[in-house]
Amino acid sequence: AQRVTQPEKLLSVFKGAPVELKCNYSYSGSPELFWYVQYSRQRLQLLLRHISRESIKGFTADLNKGETSFHLKKPFAQEEDSAMYYCALSINSGYSTLTFGKGTMLLVSP
Amino acid sequence: DAGVTQSPTHLIKTRGQQVTLRCSPKSGHDTVSWYQQALGQGPQFIFQYYEEEERQRGNFPDRFSGHQFPNYSSELNVNALLLGDSALYLCASSKTGTGPYEQYFGPGTRLTVT
Repeated sequence: AQRVTQPEKLLSVFKGAPVELKCNYSYSGSPELFWYVQYSRQRLQLLLRHISRESIKGFTADLNKGETSFHLKKPFAQEEDSAMYYCALSINSGYSTLTFGKGTMLLVSP
Repeated sequence: DAGVTQSPTHLIKTRGQQVTLRCSPKSGHDTVSWYQQALGQGPQFIFQYYEEEERQRGNFPDRFSGHQFPNYSSELNVNALLLGDSALYLCASSKTGTGPYEQYFGPGTRLTVT
């Protein structure tokens, strides 16, 4: 069965510092990987997905199939980035079902 | 479009009782998925409904059942509630054939079992 691991429960950085939220997955096939974000008192929303290879709000994530990782990075953290971040994978995009990690809380201090 | 809506927002039940949660999908969506998010955990897939039938199911007991109506709205029913069923229940909607990136989540229903 597929699994997503986010080793850090909490990541605390200062404004302007680089950020890397770690995500590792286990699945024998080729999954689709995603990062979801949940800001305080808001609903869960998609941040980015590996297929699009885009940068959203300054965040990027590269899929490393050799290391089965999909780490989320941002060179300069902003206070408004403070939120809960979930890494997720899908093994059957037609059905849209997702397997989530436990999440990492990112706290950016001024 | 209000997006995905869920009701109620919160509810408190006693062990052994039964509960029904409701979800209205985003306009144009025909598929509804339910997730359970326990405290400190990520969302865990319960099941998915399409064309009024359960299409996929996660690793949840039969106490968890659902329904989808002709207007695509959905209900999640949990029987014989356990303390461990206390969680945030999320509904997500999508249009079949699109990928997970086209899935939108509701605000959730917070269930507390005492």
